[in-house]
Amino acid sequence: GQQLNQSPQSMFIQEGEDVSMNCTSSSIFNTWLWYKQDPGEGPVLLIALYKAGELTSNGRLTAQFGITRKDSFLNISASIPSDVGIYFCAGLLSGTYKYIFGTGTRLKVLA
Amino acid sequence: DAGITQSPRHKVTETGTPVTLRCHQTENHRYMYWYRQDPGHGLRLIHYSYGVKDTDKGEVSDGYSVSRSKTEDFLLTLESATSSQTSVYFCATRTGGGNQPQHFGDGTRLSIL
Repeated sequence: GQQLNQSPQSMFIQEGEDVSMNCTSSSIFNTWLWYKQDPGEGPVLLIALYKAGELTSNGRLTAQFGITRKDSFLNISASIPSDVGIYFCAGLLSGTYKYIFGTGTRLKVLA
Repeated sequence: DAGITQSPRHKVTETGTPVTLRCHQTENHRYMYWYRQDPGHGLRLIHYSYGVKDTDKGEVSDGYSVSRSKTEDFLLTLESATSSQTSVYFCATRTGGGNQPQHFGDGTRLSIL
């Protein structure tokens, strides 16, 4: 089936550092979503992107919809301990009701 | 989020028994989804619904069935549970078509011994 390649799989960073992660695919998407999941909870929507080239921020988070519509990027600036968790991307295939999810980036922040 | 309640939150059962998981939403969202989450696989779509009594298969639908008799409830049934169906199951909803985002419940942790 369709797959989204999300990288990195995991990362350890120091508090205060900036973080970057991305999702790529061979398919074209017309929507990209970024979620964060804490242990024992469901994913929570962080940012939604609807147009190629779109750049959207939510506090210290910034995400971009790639120009080719095959990729998306998430940046977290000045990381803090509560940023710990798993971050997922999801892309909506054109003409479908279905989102395809990446396998997640596990972020650990060292105080 | 989006008034989604999953029940039960945890369940342990034996191989071969039937299991039903419930997703209840209070937002009158048209679309509802069932996913399973396993290490290394992310979220994989089991079944989804695009209206009352309208359902379709996802990528990992074998061994699962669903029903949606009213807008607010979407049931996932394992007719005869197997150990390979041990997983965390998430329900998601979204308000309409187009490119509206999905919102998730808090999950059901299912262990099949």
